Amino acid sequence: EVQLVESGGGLVQPGESLRLSCAASGFTFSTYWMIWVRQTPWKGLEWVANIKSDGSAKNYVDSVKGRFTISRDNAKNSLYLQMNSLRVEDTAVYYCASDPNSDLHYWGQGTLVTVSS
Amino acid sequence: DVVMTQSPLSLPVTLGQPASISCRSSQSLVRSDGKTFLNWFQQRPGQSPRRLIYQVSNRDSGVPDRFSGSGSGTDFTLKISRVEAEDVGVYYCMQGTYGGTFGQGTKVEIK
Repeated sequence: EVQLVESGGGLVQPGESLRLSCAASGFTFSTYWMIWVRQTPWKGLEWVANIKSDGSAKNYVDSVKGRFTISRDNAKNSLYLQMNSLRVEDTAVYYCASDPNSDLHYWGQGTLVTVSS
Repeated sequence: DVVMTQSPLSLPVTLGQPASISCRSSQSLVRSDGKTFLNWFQQRPGQSPRRLIYQVSNRDSGVPDRFSGSGSGTDFTLKISRVEAEDVGVYYCMQGTYGGTFGQGTKVEIK
């Protein structure tokens, strides 16, 4: 059974950092691009970043460039999102998912990040 | 940046009747190799999104055949041939040709 399990969410103050993790199982993680997507009630779904299967290519939405870093450890079947200089507008449920462009596609259950003073 | 525009944003439908959602991109989604990365997702209340359609018209495993996707270039459509109660939720288009961008979402509800 395919599973993507996010962790690391929580409540932080503006300007602080948080690292999200996504543990993958049940599929060949190392062969898939992976993405992070976030969701708020007022903006819907927002694509945040993606990373190539071997980690050699990364892309980000403009609003997080320079603040967020996506990475992966294929030996641990894990995806990460390092979030620095967090802002109130980064408050959202964060999902990890496998490449939506491939024939097989999976989502995690999401982890809530709240940025508030 | 590619902007994805969905319409309508709210879609009340009668059970058993067809439904259609439009999605337009601000630029062509055809990649240099000829592939078009336009996906459709369904999100039921309280659940993670689920992909229904990938590369314009390919249905994911387990997706009922009443769902179909079509289109090309910048104009795409998701159709439900006969709406069932379990189809209630929010539907998103998403382009994956240039990074990724979601549409605003279309809320489907039963009249």
